[in-house]
Formats: sequence, structure tokens, C-alpha cells
Amino acid sequence: SQKIEQNSEALNIQEGKTATLTCNYTNYSPAYLQWYRQDPGRGPVFLLLIRENEKEKRKERLKVTFDTTLKQSLFHITASQPADSATYLCAQAGGTSYGKLTFGQGTILTVHP
Amino acid sequence: GAVVSQHPSWVICKSGTSVKIECRSLDFQATTMFWYRQFPKQSLMLMATSNEGSKATYEQGVEKDKFLINHASLTLSTLTVTSAHPEDSSFYICSARDPQGLNTEAFFGQGTRLTVV
Repeated sequence: SQKIEQNSEALNIQEGKTATLTCNYTNYSPAYLQWYRQDPGRGPVFLLLIRENEKEKRKERLKVTFDTTLKQSLFHITASQPADSATYLCAQAGGTSYGKLTFGQGTILTVHP
Repeated sequence: GAVVSQHPSWVICKSGTSVKIECRSLDFQATTMFWYRQFPKQSLMLMATSNEGSKATYEQGVEKDKFLINHASLTLSTLTVTSAHPEDSSFYICSARDPQGLNTEAFFGQGTRLTVV
């Protein structure tokens, strides 16, 4: 069956460092992957989308890569700040309904001052 | 970006009663909306796809008679948890995609924390 997994449940880093989160997929080849941020008690907020033919996508301090050989997407936050502390979710869309998403388990990022 | 509003943000109800949660797309029309459930420290799990003017499509293992979905207009979908039990206590979140948008990201409501006592 298709799986999308985030292997790290939690990641703790020091302010100013780069946070790197990993998302792996198995048994299928997604046309694109999405990354969301979720704060406690809130719904997810879209951050970035990367397509399979794109190696890298950037938005301000965020960078996403897509390696179809490794079946992996990496999500980077450079110059991290305590305000970046949240749960980060990778997701892939199912079928023809773009809004129908399957999420990874999420990685809780904590940036220490 | 597009805005999806969910109401209420939290609700406490007694076992055996029913609770209705509303999901509205505020600045776009959504023929399809999605309902997710999230238990503490777990990820979002899709419950059902809400289709305007037709029956909802439920994911495997989700009881359609317990989680009633109505999508009566292009901007409103409702989820009713019927005969609620404590195990139904969870965080319920809806989402929609703006069909006129250039991207394929989903916009989520702020979620509803349901506590059944």
C-alpha cells in the first residue's frame, strides 16, 4: 500500500541553525508533495508544494527538495527562530481530488533560543 | 489565500447527544470539502469527502450513519456526530481547495475540539 512517512517524531535545534525534516514515500510515485505547518489546536497551513520534476523549491527561509531516486522530500528552515516551533506535516494528494490529502505523521520542531 | 472557517472551535457535549460542526468557504465556492479527524499526538486522518449536491464519500472504517455529512451549498458543509460517545472526542478539521486557484494546496479550517463527557 502507498505510504508516506516522517521518521522523526521530534526535532530540537538551536536558534539560528538550519532545521531539516524528512518525508519518505513508498510503493508509489507522487506527482507532487506538499508541506504544511500546524500549530497546537489549529488547522494546518500550507507552506510549499514541489512537483516530481522539480528538484528544489524555495520560499523565503524555507526550502523543499524532491529526490525521486531516494523517494524522499527534505524540508529545510534556515536561520531558524523560536517562532518556527510547530508541527510540520508532509502530504500527498490522492487521486484526482487535489484536496484529498494523506499526511505523514508529522515532525514536532522545537527551536530553542 | 482562500479562507475556510469552521464553527464552533470547541464544543463539550453529553454522551448520546448529537453535535453539528460547520465548515464554510468564505471567499470561494467549494464543490468538494474534506473532513479529517486528529487524535492527540497523531496526524490527520481523512474521514470523508463532502460533495455539493450529492452523497458524501466515506473512507474505510468510518461509519456514515454516525458521521452525517451535508453539503447543501457551494460554501457550506456540515458534519454531525450523532449519538456521540467519549471515544468520539477528537479534533475535527475541514478543508477545501479553491478551484479557481493556480495551486493545488488545501485550505483548512481552524478545527473543532469535540469533548464528549
